[in-house]
Amino acid sequence: KNEVEQSPQNLTAQEGEFITINCSYSVGISALHWLQQHPGGGIVSLFMLSSGKKKHGRLIATINIQEKHSSLHITASHPRDSAVYICAVRTSSNYKLTFGKGTLLTVNP
Amino acid sequence: GAGVSQSPSNKVTEKGKDVELRCDPISGHTALYWYRQSLGQGLEFLIYFQGNSAPDKSGLPSDRFSAERTGGSVSTLTIQRTQQEDSAVYLCASSLSQGAYGYTFGSGTRLTVV
Repeated sequence: KNEVEQSPQNLTAQEGEFITINCSYSVGISALHWLQQHPGGGIVSLFMLSSGKKKHGRLIATINIQEKHSSLHITASHPRDSAVYICAVRTSSNYKLTFGKGTLLTVNP
Repeated sequence: GAGVSQSPSNKVTEKGKDVELRCDPISGHTALYWYRQSLGQGLEFLIYFQGNSAPDKSGLPSDRFSAERTGGSVSTLTIQRTQQEDSAVYLCASSLSQGAYGYTFGSGTRLTVV
């Protein structure tokens, strides 16, 4: 079992829909990251969370430390949101990130 | 620099040849990481630098892979005698203080071994 599990693997939505991507992890962490990767592009860091909730524009990320679960929400989705969204954790005793396999989001106009 | 710069962005090489991939981190970032993303796979850790030393090389898949960092800045990942299974996107990231304040990723080098 991977230390970081994401769901769904693939997600197709219509423009304007509310989107949720989930991440569960099995290790103690110091921080959880949500990353975005466009096709052929590099990785952009969206959020770093250690507790609670963060919002940036139409993106919201939440984390429940007790349940070892995080969600990334996109409100009023747009085709330009189409990308792979990756959850990654930095463990309490480490410096490197452990990654989920990513969620491929396609938003159709 | 303003971001993490990687070069080349794309590299096609023949099986058996050596390749060098370069990463130029954000100025002042003491920590530097190499990751690999194979087709259909998640990112996997290769090596971590703190300054010029590499306290964790545990992710390097074989002794054909090596990396160095000079001047606490630029890093080079070298793959000797490339094999087709080395084809992947190689990503570099840098951070302050072992990632406590987040990581900045480069755009990656797409390596294709033919």
